[in-house]
Amino acid sequence: DAKTTQPPSMDCAEGRAANLPCNHSTISGNEYVYWYRQIHSQGPQYIIHGLKNNETNEMASLIITEDRKSSTLILPHATLRDTAVYYCIDHSGSRLTFGEGTQLTVNP
Amino acid sequence: SAVISQKPSRDICQRGTSLTIQCQVDSQVTMMFWYRQQPGQSLTLIATANQGSEATYESGFVIDKFPISRPNLTFSTLTVSNMSPEDSSIYLCSVGRSAYEQYFGPGTRLTVT
Repeated sequence: DAKTTQPPSMDCAEGRAANLPCNHSTISGNEYVYWYRQIHSQGPQYIIHGLKNNETNEMASLIITEDRKSSTLILPHATLRDTAVYYCIDHSGSRLTFGEGTQLTVNP
Repeated sequence: SAVISQKPSRDICQRGTSLTIQCQVDSQVTMMFWYRQQPGQSLTLIATANQGSEATYESGFVIDKFPISRPNLTFSTLTVSNMSPEDSSIYLCSVGRSAYEQYFGPGTRLTVT
């Protein structure tokens, strides 16, 4: 099973890029990296996922290192509404396992 | 993505009683899950709700305490039975095309006194 490590908290200035790191050194070759976020008092929201290539969608970009041991979620122009807990998801069997995540605070 | 609603959005219940939480999806979905989020903590999967068969429970969760129904592909219920203050949590349902790409409901905030 893959295990992920994330910093407990980060701050970012509004309008700047937010780069959220995640270590997943034990991820196996066919396991995707998934990112979710949870805004206060809401359910988690799926953001993006990737296997080995970098991915981009309307919400974020995901950069995965060539050895797949780590990844970075990038919010290119963070807004106050991006303040949330961001989870880099651990694969445990056929289910999502949420760790503690990173509390991202976007400051005005 | 699917639109998911939960009822009730919040409730305050007395110790020893039971509460049934409903989860409704606006489209048919194969996979449906129930999670618990205790105060200040991350989410923990309770069970996978299977249509037409018994739910699959995670370690530490049992059917007698958390009976689940899933009569069709758009609806499920979770009952929290014989409640104690330790059951005070947010309960969330989610649906997904896969076990990993899931969409969550707004949650039910339960307080047990």
